[in-house]
Amino acid sequence: AQSVTQLDSQVPVFEEAPVELRCNYSSSVSVYLFWYVQYPNQGLQLLLKYLSGSTLVESINGFEAEFNKSQTSFHLRKPSVHISDTAEYFCAVSYPRGTGFQKLVFGTGTRLLVSP
Amino acid sequence: NAGVTQTPKFQVLKTGQSMTLQCAQDMNHEYMSWYRQDPGMGLRLIHYSVGAGITDQGEVPNGYNVSRSTTEDFPLRLLSAAPSQTSVYFCASSRGPSGRPGELFFGEGSRLTVL
Repeated sequence: AQSVTQLDSQVPVFEEAPVELRCNYSSSVSVYLFWYVQYPNQGLQLLLKYLSGSTLVESINGFEAEFNKSQTSFHLRKPSVHISDTAEYFCAVSYPRGTGFQKLVFGTGTRLLVSP
Repeated sequence: NAGVTQTPKFQVLKTGQSMTLQCAQDMNHEYMSWYRQDPGMGLRLIHYSVGAGITDQGEVPNGYNVSRSTTEDFPLRLLSAAPSQTSVYFCASSRGPSGRPGELFFGEGSRLTVL
């Protein structure tokens, strides 16, 4: 069965510092990978995704993630965080199923706490 | 732009009571799904639908029923609530075969407490 591991339940960091949120998945076949963000009292929003092609993917607000097949990882990074990045971040994986419903398997989430 | 709307936002039930969580989307998305979010467990898929009249079970379907009579609505029914169903429930929609894989649009959630 697919699984996603987010080892860090909480990551405290100071504003303008770099951050890395780790994500590892279990699979030996092709996968789609996602990062979703959940701001306080809101639903999840798609932050970025890897479907194919370039292994480095970027979001519009400065986050990036790199697909590493040999390490089965999809770590999320930002070189300089802002207070507004405080949120919970979920990594998710699915197996390509053509045009059918993609069942996402979510990790347990990492709470990013940015302080001044 | 309403997107995905869930009601109610908060609900307290007694064990054995029934209730329905409502979910509506105005984006004409074909796919809709329900998840529950529990501390330390991430999101787990309860039920999903690929179109009106078509539903299927997810990872944790027991204790929940769904139906999809229209494209817009996908209610989740708890027939006899149990304390183990205390959770935050999220409804999500996605475009369907013509959309980007895995791109879900979530509602703001419904927090349910079963006493």
